[in-house]
Amino acid sequence: DIVMTQSPDSLAVSLGERATINCKSSQSVLYSSNNKNYLAWYQQKPGQPPKLLIYWASTRESGVPDRFSGSGSGTDFTLTISSLQAEDVAVYYCQQYYSTLSYTFGQGTKLEIK
Amino acid sequence: EVQLVESGGGLVQPGGSLRLSCAASGFTFSSYEMNWVRQAPGKGLEWVSYISSSGSTIYYADSVKGRFTISRDNAKNSLYLQMNSLRAEDTAVYYCARCPHDFWGGCNWFDPWGQGTLVTVSS
Repeated sequence: DIVMTQSPDSLAVSLGERATINCKSSQSVLYSSNNKNYLAWYQQKPGQPPKLLIYWASTRESGVPDRFSGSGSGTDFTLTISSLQAEDVAVYYCQQYYSTLSYTFGQGTKLEIK
Repeated sequence: EVQLVESGGGLVQPGGSLRLSCAASGFTFSSYEMNWVRQAPGKGLEWVSYISSSGSTIYYADSVKGRFTISRDNAKNSLYLQMNSLRAEDTAVYYCARCPHDFWGGCNWFDPWGQGTLVTVSS
């Protein structure tokens, strides 16, 4: 299985400041035939199911605020929240779908307000 | 509105069985691949099982293979997970999640997710 490792495990950021979450895969999730990175990001607020934020590593899901952005390629990826809002407090997960039908998630990063 | 609603969770003894259901609405259920994903209390996400739109192709995580059975009834817009020989480590919230259609095909990311149903395996 592809192992996904997120850093840090938890993060405290002041309102209006930038938050950066990293995700590293144990092998490349870049598919050479279409040059796409098979990686998604989710947000999970307490007591709620995960919500899709980003897919193909950098494509924002419809309705997701543009302060959320994804970047990276190959094995190293980043989710950036450009200006943290109170409603962004949540746990964030990355997920690889390169290894189809053996999907794996990162362990999660808990984002709090400083 | 696309909606997935799970049911069937509860407390079961080790070695017991439980059947989860997921009722889908707001989309053409028979056209979409579906999955079960679970989350142990206070822990991360673990993919459990996949079923194709017709039900002809099925996959499981190694941790549940031989004990869990995924199925669907497209006429009833419903997804199921039969769980047998349950263990303490199966304790989790179980989510059903849809595979969105995408130009590149395949089941990639999951969207949306249901609210989940809690399964507790304990004596």
